[in-house]
Amino acid sequence: ETGVTQSPTHLIKTRGQQVTLRCSSQSGHNTVSWYQQALGQGPQFIFQYYREEENGRGNFPPRFSGLQFPNYSSELNVNALELDDSALYLCASTRGGGYGYTFGSGTRLTVV
Amino acid sequence: QQQVKQSPQSLIVQKGGISIINCAYENTAFDYFPWYQQFPGKGPALLIAIRPDVSEKKEGRFTISFNKSAKQFSLHIMDSQPGDSATYFCAASDRGSTLGRLYFGRGTQLTVWP
Repeated sequence: ETGVTQSPTHLIKTRGQQVTLRCSSQSGHNTVSWYQQALGQGPQFIFQYYREEENGRGNFPPRFSGLQFPNYSSELNVNALELDDSALYLCASTRGGGYGYTFGSGTRLTVV
Repeated sequence: QQQVKQSPQSLIVQKGGISIINCAYENTAFDYFPWYQQFPGKGPALLIAIRPDVSEKKEGRFTISFNKSAKQFSLHIMDSQPGDSATYFCAASDRGSTLGRLYFGRGTQLTVWP
């Protein structure tokens, strides 16, 4: 499957700022998850949305928040950016019913 | 605490050889075990997946072997090709393939020499 698009591809922010990352999934993909991938590590689960409601959350502080919209797009918002937030942020979506997740190419966030 | 432990961290294989990557887990509630392939600058792509009621699954040159009693599973890449050079991640989920979160291993960087 193809069709999970993330924007922007790269982003540089200053510590303390806020950032919004966007994801556009395929039609019918009503479940979306966000992951943080630090350099040289496996992706870490941030949270999941199902039909516009948060449906699970990993070990991330409340300054990480999200939204899912009816048009199969979603957002990840991070407030009060810290240097350790520098990572690749991945969006993954699925239509459910036994289908696996399709990942986007990610947004590379650098906090300076 | 790493829920899924993956080894080796890096692997170098000659073209035509067999690449083997191993993973281990502790949580017996895990019921879905996918492998992902990631190229630089790209997101992970689902390669092959298995459920614990099956001991082996083969798709083309890729095979998952699953040992439920040992809580281990492995990826075998037969006839490895330079195009297989990528980072491979094993993962596990405790709520099937969709609603559950994925717990990833740390990854194995595979290099296949021509």
